[in-house]
Amino acid sequence: GQQVMQIPQYQHVQEGEDFTTYCNSSTTLSNIQWYKQRPGGHPVFLIQLVKSGEVKKQKRLTFQFGEAKKNSSLHITATQTTDVGTYFCAGRYSGTYKYIFGTGTRLKVLA
Amino acid sequence: AAGVIQSPRHLIKEKRETATLKCYPIPRHDTVYWYQQGPGQDPQFLISFYEKMQSDKGSIPDRFSAQQFSDYHSELNMSSLELGDSALYFCASSLGLAGEDYEQYFGPGTRLTVT
Repeated sequence: GQQVMQIPQYQHVQEGEDFTTYCNSSTTLSNIQWYKQRPGGHPVFLIQLVKSGEVKKQKRLTFQFGEAKKNSSLHITATQTTDVGTYFCAGRYSGTYKYIFGTGTRLKVLA
Repeated sequence: AAGVIQSPRHLIKEKRETATLKCYPIPRHDTVYWYQQGPGQDPQFLISFYEKMQSDKGSIPDRFSAQQFSDYHSELNMSSLELGDSALYFCASSLGLAGEDYEQYFGPGTRLTVT
C-alpha cells in the first residue's frame, strides 16, 4: 500500500550539531512536502520537492529528493534550540489528491 | 495575514454522541483537507475537497461525513462517537487541487475528547 516511512523516530542532538531525517516510500512519489510541528502546535509548511534529484536550501536546512523519487531527506546544519519539534514528510502519489504523512522525527536540541 | 480557522478549538463529547467540526479556509483557497492526529502520531488523511466536490478519501470511518459549502468552508460530521475518536483534528487549506502541488496551510486544530 501507500506508506511513507521516516527515520529516525527520535533524535537528541547537542546544540550546534547537525541533524538529518530520512523519508522512504516503496513506490514512486509525485511530489513530497516537508512540515515542522512544534509541541502543541500545528504542522507548518517548509518546502516542496517535485523534480527527481531536486535539492533545495533554506538557510541551515537542505532538502533532497531522490533520483527515483522514492526517498527524501532533510538536513539541518548547526542545530539551534529553535529547531526543536517534529519534522514530517508528506508524499503524494500520482493520480491521488491526498498527502500521506511520514511517521515523523522528533528533534530535541540540548543547549 | 488570514489563517485557517477551526471551531471549536476544544470539544468534549460522550460516547455515541455526535460532533460537528468546522473549518474556514484562507480566502481564495478552494481546497480543504481533513486530518486526524492521535497523541504522538502523524496526521492521518481523512478526506479532501476541491471546489465543493470530494477529491480524495482516506481512512475515514463510515460514521464520519464531510462536505464543502459554497463559501468554501467545510464541516466534518462525526456520529456514534467512540473513545478511539479522541484526537486532534486538523483542517488544512490550499490554493488549487493537490495535483497542482500547492502547500497546505494548517489550522490550529480541534481537540476532541470522547468520554
